[in-house]
Amino acid sequence: DTEVTQTPKHLVMGMTNKKSLKCEQHMGHRAMYWYKQKAKKPPELMFVYSYEKLSINESVPSRFSPECPNSSLLNLHLHALQPEDSALYLCASSQETAGIGSPLHFGNGTRLTVT
Amino acid sequence: KNEVEQSPQNLTAQEGEFITINCSYSVGISALHWLQQHPGGGIVSLFMLSSGKKKHGRLIATINIQEKHSSLHITASHPRDSAVYICAVFFTPDTGNQFYFGTGTSLTVIP
Repeated sequence: DTEVTQTPKHLVMGMTNKKSLKCEQHMGHRAMYWYKQKAKKPPELMFVYSYEKLSINESVPSRFSPECPNSSLLNLHLHALQPEDSALYLCASSQETAGIGSPLHFGNGTRLTVT
Repeated sequence: KNEVEQSPQNLTAQEGEFITINCSYSVGISALHWLQQHPGGGIVSLFMLSSGKKKHGRLIATINIQEKHSSLHITASHPRDSAVYICAVFFTPDTGNQFYFGTGTSLTVIP
């Protein structure tokens, strides 16, 4: 079982809907990440939060809005998505911004389908 | 440009075979990670290394910093090893504090 919990596991939404993806970890990690993964491709970094502050935004469209309410929670708010946004959305965490001594811990992902 | 290349892209093996997956990168790094992703999505971190060799069960990871190359070996492969294996590199701070992922190696182990 992963120590990073993502909900929901699956989500189907229309282009006019507003939904949120949630991620939770209780390992005391101070860095949390959102990745997007298309089929047969490696994960693509979207956002990095370090000590609850947004530290990296990889030029992600504004229809994706991250939020870090506290050190254990990370949300991704979705609004007016396009069908090409359908993908697996992965949350990860690490003790510090990942590098030496800070392995990444991934959740199982939310599989998003935009209709 | 920071690049991470993996080979092979796809690999089919008979149960029991010794398997090697390779990862090469272009510039200096501070850490290299090997990740395993099973169908359904979840990613598990197998190894994190910055030098030498690490072993965990039937898995062995090595890295040669001078040659900018790492290998993941699986001894006595088993069908449950079937997954995508991803090499992820954390480049030195002046190239950005984030991971760069290889394209992955899809491994199928046949009974």
